[in-house]
Amino acid sequence: QKEVEQDPGPLSVPEGAIVSLNCTYSNSAFQYFMWYRQYSRKGPELLMYTYSSGNKEDGRFTAQVDKSSKYISLFIRDSQPSDSATYLCAMMSGAGGTSYGKLTFGQGTILTVHP
Amino acid sequence: DAGITQSPRHKVTETGTPVTLRCHQTENHRYMYWYRQDPGHGLRLIHYSYGVKDTDKGEVSDGYSVSRSKTEDFLLTLESATSSQTSVYFCAIRPGLLHEQYFGPGTRLTVT
Repeated sequence: QKEVEQDPGPLSVPEGAIVSLNCTYSNSAFQYFMWYRQYSRKGPELLMYTYSSGNKEDGRFTAQVDKSSKYISLFIRDSQPSDSATYLCAMMSGAGGTSYGKLTFGQGTILTVHP
Repeated sequence: DAGITQSPRHKVTETGTPVTLRCHQTENHRYMYWYRQDPGHGLRLIHYSYGVKDTDKGEVSDGYSVSRSKTEDFLLTLESATSSQTSVYFCAIRPGLLHEQYFGPGTRLTVT
């Protein structure tokens, strides 16, 4: 079983829809959580970073972390065709953990927003 | 791309030949990483460095070696390339006081 599970999709939605992207994890040592966006043939781009349970909002993007359920989500409101990309979740253990400083990634979800 | 360049950007090589990929950063960050990305696997850590001459293995390090003789450069070497090493390779840096990592543009390697 992988430490981080992410539904690979693909996910196809109409413009303006609310998108929900999700990851589950099994390692309770994970303390820091990130979402990356990757356009085709480009490097991953950091979208959101959070380290506590709850919600963090940045424009149309909201990152949600539920450590008790080992579940993180990324919500995209008013989705646009320019949001079409692969979205990767990533996480890291706290200081003292064996994976501190090293990210463990989900498989990535391919999202297409059509006009 | 967070001041990170990777070279070459594309390479085709034959099985059994040595290959070296270069990652160069302009910000003198201490931490540097090499990942590979394959369909269905996300990104997987190959090796990382926490300073000049200080490196350690990641989860998929077999068949790879690294060197870091200067803060700004982190080299990844495939001693004898195999077809299973066909992949897209990404370098990343982590600013020392932060947890986030920032990625370079990637190198697409094909081993025939």
